[in-house]
Amino acid sequence: QKEVEQNSGPLSVPEGAIASLNCTYSDRGSQSFFWYRQYSGKSPELIMFIYSNGDKEDGRFTAQLNKASQYVSLLIRDSQPSDSATYLCAVNTGGFKTIFGAGTRLFVKA
Amino acid sequence: EPEVTQTPSHQVTQMGQEVILRCVPISNHLYFYWYRQILGQKVEFLVSFYNNEISEKSEIFDDQFSVERPDGSNFTLKIRSTKLEDSAMYFCASSEEVPGSQPQHFGDGTRLSIL
Repeated sequence: QKEVEQNSGPLSVPEGAIASLNCTYSDRGSQSFFWYRQYSGKSPELIMFIYSNGDKEDGRFTAQLNKASQYVSLLIRDSQPSDSATYLCAVNTGGFKTIFGAGTRLFVKA
Repeated sequence: EPEVTQTPSHQVTQMGQEVILRCVPISNHLYFYWYRQILGQKVEFLVSFYNNEISEKSEIFDDQFSVERPDGSNFTLKIRSTKLEDSAMYFCASSEEVPGSQPQHFGDGTRLSIL
């Protein structure tokens, strides 16, 4: 059974701080990794995607991938109260199926 | 920016009835998906669809479910003989390329309530 694991949180950070969200996956053949943000009652919204080992930066967001450790993370710099949401890690193993983690709830305190 | 659109936003149905959830994927996208999210739980893959046929399905997607692309724009999920446990948010998604090389974009979802 292919799994994607995330700490459910809540992760609480003060406004302006760096939020660090982590995800591990079980299938070593996984090739593509995605971070989605989901506000309560809303649909997942794509934040970042990463395919290669290392870091990928987009504005305040940085995705980090370590395939040897089967680990992917998302850093949010200068966190804002509007960043408060559930962050979903999603993994594709090369087929048509994408597996989602249960999500980490982030709370940014003003 | 192009969007995936889903209708209706909320569907209430009596147990045992059939429901059809509708989606209009982004126009130049070739790969279509349905996901389910039961309240408080994770997003679960149901099925992917490419070139007018199912390309992959999960163990959840049994004979109760079917998908169809009846014309050049709509993509539907039919649930026959609905059960209480079918109550969930159903998300349609689409991507331009295979999901390993391009991310999927999600619609706003249909909240299905089975009474």
